Amino acid sequence: EAEVAQSPRYKITEKSQAVAFWCDPISGHATLYWYRQILGQGPELLVQFQDESVVDDSQLPKDRFSAERLKGVDSTLKIQPAELGDSAMYLCASSLKRDPVEDEQFFGPGTRLTVL
Amino acid sequence: QKEVEQDPGPLSVPEGAIVSLNCTYSNSAFQYFMWYRQYSRKGPELLMYTYSSGNKEDGRFTAQVDKSSKYISLFIRDSQPSDSATYLCAMSGWGNNRLAFGKGNQVVVIP
Repeated sequence: EAEVAQSPRYKITEKSQAVAFWCDPISGHATLYWYRQILGQGPELLVQFQDESVVDDSQLPKDRFSAERLKGVDSTLKIQPAELGDSAMYLCASSLKRDPVEDEQFFGPGTRLTVL
Repeated sequence: QKEVEQDPGPLSVPEGAIVSLNCTYSNSAFQYFMWYRQYSRKGPELLMYTYSSGNKEDGRFTAQVDKSSKYISLFIRDSQPSDSATYLCAMSGWGNNRLAFGKGNQVVVIP
């Protein structure tokens, strides 16, 4: 069964360091999403790609966060510098198209980030 | 006021009981309503999806939507220990696949 892959699964870093997360969506999925899930909260969208283009990054803290999907396949989310409040689960999801009627988002297992 | 409100209190029930979960929302643009299940240390997985007001059944799961009250519910009949997970409601609107999630309810089914 096709799955969304993410790495690393866990990351511990110190404040002010740079961190990067990688996501490989399900093959053929045009839309890729990065979410942040703080403990005890629901996921919140950080950025949405349609192929290689950003279609929504309104909630991405652009002073420290960046995301890219250069060839429209896998994607990297970077934080530089990391802050204590960035400790959370970072989830990647993908969907076949961008049609909200029949377009299920499939989530990866997430990367749990701890900033010390 | 958050777009989606879900009382995050944990819920413990004995095996075989009915689990009842609900969410309210404030954004009238929401047209699609979903319930996701999230096991510990895993990503969410889609459990139920509804579009219109009314009920939708899938096995032991029933999703209800009342658009006039901006209220959705999930019922789990004959709950099993394997149903122990966090349940998240999520919603999206026309032409926009951005999901707005509730905080989630942690459900524990005790054998």
